[in-house]
Amino acid sequence: GAGVSQSPRYKVAKRGQDVALRCDPISGHVSLFWYQQALGQGPEFLTYFQNEAQLDKSGLPSDRFFAERPEGSVSTLKIQRTQQEDSAVYLCASSWGLADYEQYFGPGTRLTVT
Amino acid sequence: SQQGEEDPQALSIQEGENATMNCSYKTSINNLQWYRQNSGRGLVHLILIRSNEREKHSGRLRVTLDTSKKSSSLLITASRAADTASYFCATGGTNTPLVFGKGTRLSVIA
Repeated sequence: GAGVSQSPRYKVAKRGQDVALRCDPISGHVSLFWYQQALGQGPEFLTYFQNEAQLDKSGLPSDRFFAERPEGSVSTLKIQRTQQEDSAVYLCASSWGLADYEQYFGPGTRLTVT
Repeated sequence: SQQGEEDPQALSIQEGENATMNCSYKTSINNLQWYRQNSGRGLVHLILIRSNEREKHSGRLRVTLDTSKKSSSLLITASRAADTASYFCATGGTNTPLVFGKGTRLSVIA
Protein backbone atom coordinates (compact mmCIF):
# COMPACT_ATOMS: atom_id res chain seq x y z
CA GLY A 1 0.00 0.00 0.00
CA ALA A 2 0.49 3.64 0.21
CA GLY A 3 3.05 5.30 2.43
CA VAL A 4 2.44 7.87 5.14
CA SER A 5 0.50 10.86 3.88
CA GLN A 6 0.12 14.28 5.42
CA SER A 7 -2.17 17.19 4.69
CA PRO A 8 -2.01 19.97 3.98
CA ARG A 9 1.49 20.04 2.49
CA TYR A 10 1.72 23.78 3.07
CA LYS A 11 -0.13 25.97 5.52
CA VAL A 12 0.12 29.70 6.03
CA ALA A 13 -1.50 30.98 9.21
CA LYS A 14 -1.77 34.41 10.70
CA ARG A 15 -0.43 34.75 14.21
CA GLY A 16 -3.14 33.76 16.66
CA GLN A 17 -4.95 31.38 14.33
CA ASP A 18 -5.52 27.72 15.15
CA VAL A 19 -4.26 25.07 12.73
CA ALA A 20 -4.86 21.33 12.36
CA LEU A 21 -2.39 19.05 10.63
CA ARG A 22 -3.42 15.57 9.54
CA CYS A 23 -1.42 12.36 9.27
CA ASP A 24 -2.51 9.10 7.65
CA PRO A 25 -0.07 6.38 8.72
CA ILE A 26 0.68 3.12 6.98
CA SER A 27 -2.18 0.70 7.57
CA GLY A 28 -1.43 -1.66 10.45
CA HIS A 29 1.34 0.40 12.02
CA VAL A 30 0.63 0.66 15.73
CA SER A 31 3.06 3.50 16.43
CA LEU A 32 2.73 7.05 15.21
CA PHE A 33 5.13 9.89 15.84
CA TRP A 34 5.07 13.64 15.34
CA TYR A 35 8.27 15.65 14.86
CA GLN A 36 9.04 19.31 14.35
CA GLN A 37 11.89 20.20 12.00
CA ALA A 38 13.33 23.68 11.86
CA LEU A 39 15.32 24.79 8.83
CA GLY A 40 18.76 23.20 8.77
CA GLN A 41 18.07 21.05 11.81
CA GLY A 42 17.16 17.45 12.45
CA PRO A 43 13.65 16.38 13.45
CA GLU A 44 12.75 17.04 17.08
CA PHE A 45 10.39 14.60 18.76
CA LEU A 46 7.01 16.00 19.78
CA THR A 47 4.76 13.10 20.73
CA TYR A 48 4.13 9.39 20.25
CA PHE A 49 1.05 7.16 20.04
CA GLN A 50 0.71 3.45 20.37
CA ASN A 51 -2.64 2.72 18.78
CA GLU A 52 -4.96 5.36 20.27
CA ALA A 53 -2.94 5.87 23.45
CA GLN A 54 -0.65 8.88 23.64
CA LEU A 55 2.27 7.38 25.54
CA ASP A 56 4.72 10.25 25.40
CA LYS A 57 4.06 13.94 24.86
CA SER A 58 7.22 15.21 26.48
CA GLY A 59 8.35 17.00 23.32
CA LEU A 60 5.31 19.22 22.88
CA PRO A 61 6.70 22.75 23.31
CA SER A 62 3.69 24.25 25.05
CA ASP A 63 0.10 23.59 26.02
CA ARG A 64 -0.91 25.20 22.73
CA PHE A 65 0.08 21.96 21.03
CA PHE A 66 -2.34 19.06 21.17
CA ALA A 67 -2.34 15.73 19.32
CA GLU A 68 -4.91 12.98 19.06
CA ARG A 69 -5.38 9.62 17.39
CA PRO A 70 -8.88 8.64 18.49
CA GLU A 71 -9.29 5.42 16.52
CA GLY A 72 -5.68 4.34 16.44
CA SER A 73 -5.19 5.27 12.81
CA VAL A 74 -5.36 8.86 11.53
CA SER A 75 -3.79 11.46 13.79
CA THR A 76 -4.22 15.21 14.04
CA LEU A 77 -1.75 17.69 15.47
CA LYS A 78 -3.46 20.89 16.53
CA ILE A 79 -1.70 24.12 17.32
CA GLN A 80 -3.76 26.80 19.01
CA ARG A 81 -3.03 30.52 18.86
CA THR A 82 -0.08 30.05 16.51
CA GLN A 83 3.09 32.07 17.08
CA GLN A 84 5.90 32.89 14.65
CA GLU A 85 8.21 30.46 16.43
CA ASP A 86 5.82 27.65 15.46
CA SER A 87 6.92 28.05 11.82
CA ALA A 88 8.57 24.76 10.86
CA VAL A 89 8.01 21.54 8.99
CA TYR A 90 5.88 19.07 10.94
CA LEU A 91 6.72 15.47 10.12
CA CYS A 92 4.64 12.43 10.89
CA ALA A 93 6.07 8.91 10.96
CA SER A 94 4.62 5.48 11.61
CA SER A 95 6.23 2.23 12.66
CA TRP A 96 5.63 -1.22 14.08
CA GLY A 97 7.11 -0.17 17.41
CA LEU A 98 8.90 2.53 19.41
CA ALA A 99 12.62 2.85 18.77
CA ASP A 100 13.50 -0.69 17.73
CA TYR A 101 12.00 -0.39 14.27
CA GLU A 102 12.52 1.78 11.25
CA GLN A 103 10.13 4.66 10.91
CA TYR A 104 8.31 5.59 7.73
CA PHE A 105 7.97 9.32 7.27
CA GLY A 106 5.39 11.39 5.48
CA PRO A 107 6.38 14.35 3.28
CA GLY A 108 5.65 16.83 6.06
CA THR A 109 3.53 19.94 6.43
CA ARG A 110 5.38 23.23 6.09
CA LEU A 111 3.73 25.71 8.47
CA THR A 112 4.46 29.39 8.08
CA VAL A 113 3.05 31.76 10.66
CA THR A 114 2.94 35.39 9.55
CA SER B 1 17.29 18.38 22.48
CA GLN B 2 19.35 16.40 20.01
CA GLN B 3 21.66 13.66 21.16
CA GLY B 4 23.42 12.72 17.95
CA GLU B 5 25.88 15.05 16.36
CA GLU B 6 26.96 14.44 12.78
CA ASP B 7 30.32 15.42 11.42
CA PRO B 8 30.99 17.07 9.06
CA GLN B 9 28.04 19.45 8.84
CA ALA B 10 28.52 19.65 5.08
CA LEU B 11 30.46 17.55 2.59
CA SER B 12 31.03 18.09 -1.12
CA ILE B 13 32.55 15.34 -3.29
CA GLN B 14 32.85 14.33 -6.93
CA GLU B 15 30.70 11.59 -8.38
CA GLY B 16 32.37 8.21 -7.95
CA GLU B 17 34.18 9.16 -4.74
CA ASN B 18 33.32 7.70 -1.35
CA ALA B 19 31.55 9.78 1.30
CA THR B 20 32.03 9.22 5.01
CA MET B 21 29.84 10.77 7.69
CA ASN B 22 30.25 10.36 11.42
CA CYS B 23 27.82 10.47 14.30
CA SER B 24 28.61 10.81 17.98
CA TYR B 25 26.10 10.43 20.78
CA LYS B 26 26.05 10.80 24.54
CA THR B 27 23.97 8.16 26.30
CA SER B 28 23.75 4.38 25.97
CA ILE B 29 21.62 3.15 23.12
CA ASN B 30 19.66 0.14 21.96
CA ASN B 31 20.18 0.85 18.27
CA LEU B 32 21.32 3.56 15.89
CA GLN B 33 19.61 4.37 12.60
CA TRP B 34 20.60 6.41 9.58
CA TYR B 35 18.08 8.34 7.49
CA ARG B 36 18.32 10.35 4.27
CA GLN B 37 16.31 13.45 3.48
CA ASN B 38 16.13 14.93 0.01
CA SER B 39 15.40 18.63 -0.23
CA GLY B 40 11.84 19.42 0.82
CA ARG B 41 10.86 15.81 1.45
CA GLY B 42 10.35 13.41 4.31
CA LEU B 43 13.05 11.16 5.70
CA VAL B 44 13.82 7.74 4.27
CA HIS B 45 15.23 4.99 6.47
CA LEU B 46 18.59 3.65 5.27
CA ILE B 47 19.90 1.21 7.85
CA LEU B 48 19.50 0.16 11.48
CA ILE B 49 22.38 -1.21 13.52
CA ARG B 50 21.85 -2.69 16.96
CA SER B 51 24.09 -2.04 19.94
CA ASN B 52 25.52 -5.56 19.80
CA GLU B 53 26.51 -5.19 16.13
CA ARG B 54 29.71 -3.58 14.90
CA GLU B 55 29.18 -3.33 11.16
CA LYS B 56 26.34 -3.58 8.69
CA HIS B 57 26.10 -3.34 4.91
CA SER B 58 23.28 -2.48 2.57
CA GLY B 59 24.13 -2.05 -1.09
CA ARG B 60 26.62 0.81 -1.37
CA LEU B 61 26.14 1.69 2.31
CA ARG B 62 28.37 0.55 5.15
CA VAL B 63 27.65 1.48 8.74
CA THR B 64 29.91 0.90 11.72
CA LEU B 65 29.11 1.29 15.39
CA ASP B 66 31.58 1.66 18.25
CA THR B 67 29.63 1.73 21.50
CA SER B 68 32.79 2.23 23.56
CA LYS B 69 33.40 5.52 21.75
CA LYS B 70 29.69 6.25 21.35
CA SER B 71 30.14 6.83 17.65
CA SER B 72 28.96 5.54 14.29
CA SER B 73 30.00 6.13 10.72
CA LEU B 74 28.12 5.91 7.43
CA LEU B 75 30.14 5.21 4.29
CA ILE B 76 28.60 5.63 0.86
CA THR B 77 30.79 4.08 -1.82
CA ALA B 78 30.93 5.12 -5.47
CA SER B 79 28.68 8.11 -4.85
CA ARG B 80 26.17 9.33 -7.42
CA ALA B 81 24.55 12.71 -7.98
CA ALA B 82 21.31 11.17 -6.68
CA ASP B 83 22.98 10.64 -3.28
CA THR B 84 22.88 14.42 -2.76
CA ALA B 85 20.79 14.84 0.39
CA SER B 86 21.00 15.42 4.13
CA TYR B 87 21.89 12.40 6.22
CA PHE B 88 20.78 12.03 9.83
CA CYS B 89 21.68 9.58 12.54
CA ALA B 90 19.07 8.73 15.14
CA THR B 91 19.61 6.90 18.39
CA GLY B 92 17.05 4.63 20.00
CA GLY B 93 16.98 3.59 23.63
CA THR B 94 14.76 1.15 25.45
CA ASN B 95 11.24 2.59 25.58
CA THR B 96 12.45 6.00 24.49
CA PRO B 97 11.73 7.69 21.18
CA LEU B 98 14.34 8.17 18.48
CA VAL B 99 16.58 11.20 18.92
CA PHE B 100 17.94 12.71 15.71
CA GLY B 101 21.13 14.63 15.09
CA LYS B 102 21.42 17.83 13.07
CA GLY B 103 22.53 16.07 9.93
CA THR B 104 25.28 16.15 7.33
CA ARG B 105 24.51 17.86 4.03
CA LEU B 106 26.11 15.86 1.23
CA SER B 107 26.57 17.31 -2.25
CA VAL B 108 27.74 14.97 -5.00
CA ILE B 109 28.92 16.85 -8.05
CA ALA B 110 28.56 15.17 -11.42
